[in-house]
Amino acid sequence: DTGVSQNPRHKITKRGQNVTFRCDPISEHNRLYWYRQTLGQGPEFLTYFQNEAQLEKSRLLSDRFSAERPKGSFSTLEIQRTEQGDSAMYLCASSRGGILSTDTQYFGPGTRLTVL
Amino acid sequence: DAKTTQPPSMDCAEGRAANLPCNHSTISGNEYVYWYRQIHSQGPQYIIHGLKNNETNEMASLIITEDRKSSTLILPHATLRDTAVYYCIVRVVGNQFYFGTGTSLTVIP
Repeated sequence: DTGVSQNPRHKITKRGQNVTFRCDPISEHNRLYWYRQTLGQGPEFLTYFQNEAQLEKSRLLSDRFSAERPKGSFSTLEIQRTEQGDSAMYLCASSRGGILSTDTQYFGPGTRLTVL
Repeated sequence: DAKTTQPPSMDCAEGRAANLPCNHSTISGNEYVYWYRQIHSQGPQYIIHGLKNNETNEMASLIITEDRKSSTLILPHATLRDTAVYYCIVRVVGNQFYFGTGTSLTVIP
């Protein structure tokens, strides 16, 4: 169990550019979550996968945001045409869901995005 | 999921017990209480969770009142490395975590 990993850890981009982040969950965790956190606030839920299926999306996830988990393992979060308001920490978490599980989520270190 | 109320900030002397309260007066019978903490610029770290009974692990103890309307996270011997924002979350298993603004704990030397 090596924990949840995220890459890159930091990303600086210019407004209007596209960016993509990657999350590698804890092995054999079937659930994967994306959150966004702005300064002084707690993390806010964006979207959630069970295996490769995207089961829930927050209203925060505008049509410029897309997330995938093609083989039920790693996930990518893409932001198209970035805006300065997208500057935030993007957090990934994973959990082992199931009937007998309390579905505790374990978080990665996050990717800090700065849009200039 | 039920909402929680936490004090915005607390101080604790190093080596003393840190007791962090959380009110969740609208909690329902199938909602668990979770605690996470977040050290500056890192991802949230899972601490402990419980349903009805008090729980203890290597990091902390969780005391849940009999009516389940409030709980207390106890760090038995606080160290400087325990300085962080602590989040109390109530949640039905399978639902998303909704973080508030938490309690900023400062451990003072």
